[in-house]
Amino acid sequence: GAGVSQSPRYKVAKRGQDVALRCDPISGHVSLFWYQQALGQGPEFLTYFQNEAQLDKSGLPSDRFFAERPEGSVSTLKIQRTQQEDSAVYLCASSLVPGLAGNQPQHFGDGTRLSIL
Amino acid sequence: SQQGEEDPQALSIQEGENATMNCSYKTSINNLQWYRQNSGRGLVHLILIRSNEREKHSGRLRVTLDTSKKSSSLLITASRAADTASYFCATLFSGGYNKLIFGAGTRLAVHP
Repeated sequence: GAGVSQSPRYKVAKRGQDVALRCDPISGHVSLFWYQQALGQGPEFLTYFQNEAQLDKSGLPSDRFFAERPEGSVSTLKIQRTQQEDSAVYLCASSLVPGLAGNQPQHFGDGTRLSIL
Repeated sequence: SQQGEEDPQALSIQEGENATMNCSYKTSINNLQWYRQNSGRGLVHLILIRSNEREKHSGRLRVTLDTSKKSSSLLITASRAADTASYFCATLFSGGYNKLIFGAGTRLAVHP
């Protein structure tokens, strides 16, 4: 498709379960980002991939959070042993060029709304 | 923690009026971007202004940047009901990757 696609759109899980969120970036986009957006707040950076390399994971809140992009296209964000504070919208974005060369916009998916009961 | 702060947090206006939103940030930047987010949707890029630019226009949007005051403003002229959304400024740090740091946003409601 033409845009960034995320699935599922909604995910409900019980506390302690593992979840996996998928992001299909725009074809050919080198950079891929994950953000976490709490209700009423702006997105907060989680991690950044340049192709398959995870160059920045400084925003991941704990070692329960893991992201991968093994072939440099689709990415998965996995959260293990979920907790209630993990409830948020998880946004994926991609951009055409890597690093500082981008004075490029990021293109966002519609996000996955995760609710932990 | 978030870099920027938008002001006001919420804004309610009538169609046809202008809407002005402000953003302040804390550290040196490479560029500043404004995004719009409709309820339940992802963010849509509106406009990007580089650190060496002072003003930029795109359609009904006008963005200014004052790096000495570490602030930016977004003006939407002749607003429409369809402009109802949350608006976020995001800064790209000098020396970082494309790591955008977002403010908390301004929630704009435009009434017909």
